[in-house]
Amino acid sequence: DAGVIQSPRHEVTEMGQEVTLRCKPISGHNSLFWYRQTMMRGLELLIYFNNNVPIDDSGMPEDRFSAKMPNASFSTLKIQPSEPRDSAVYFCASSFAGDSTDTQYFGPGTRLTVL
Amino acid sequence: AQSVTQLDSHVSVSEGTPVLLRCNYSSSYSPSLFWYVQHPNKGLQLLLKYTSAATLVKGINGFEAEFKKSETSFHLTKPSAHMSDAAEYFCVVSDKGSNYQLIWGAGTKLIIKP
Repeated sequence: DAGVIQSPRHEVTEMGQEVTLRCKPISGHNSLFWYRQTMMRGLELLIYFNNNVPIDDSGMPEDRFSAKMPNASFSTLKIQPSEPRDSAVYFCASSFAGDSTDTQYFGPGTRLTVL
Repeated sequence: AQSVTQLDSHVSVSEGTPVLLRCNYSSSYSPSLFWYVQHPNKGLQLLLKYTSAATLVKGINGFEAEFKKSETSFHLTKPSAHMSDAAEYFCVVSDKGSNYQLIWGAGTKLIIKP
């Protein structure tokens, strides 16, 4: 199994630019999660999809952030416009909701730097 | 409400000596418990998980953890530390009530001295 795939692995952009992060979950998984990790705040859940439908987006910081899951094998997290305080590592994770252990498998992350 | 407490922010051991990373949890349900490891500038890797099948859980790289309900603990151990074990370790509990929320500990940074 290829595991969760994220792209790009690193992104450097300037303030005000649009940033799009991409995620391909593990085949057969029906839940997908976007997290953000910073030194100050640790790991934060941004949004959770189940069967391609957003279930909980209460962790999305503000309207500049949006996430989509057009099909079971692809999701995007978009920041428009980006700000320096958005600099962080963004992780995508997937799981199979029928698994009673709720085990989430993480991608390698995208390190975003906003100048 | 569920919570996870990792009792040490940093643990330093010499190579070849035992490792103990402590984790206590509180849960209203029969919890699922996990340990994840994050090497520097890397992603989060599942080390092991407790699913109520057995209280002693074996994971990858020689790590194991024991679920002790009476002590509400899920400590991570390894008999002999290796330099490659240097990383941050997170204890996590699954919030069954929400069906998906993972409650994360603050992390313990493991330092291996040569």
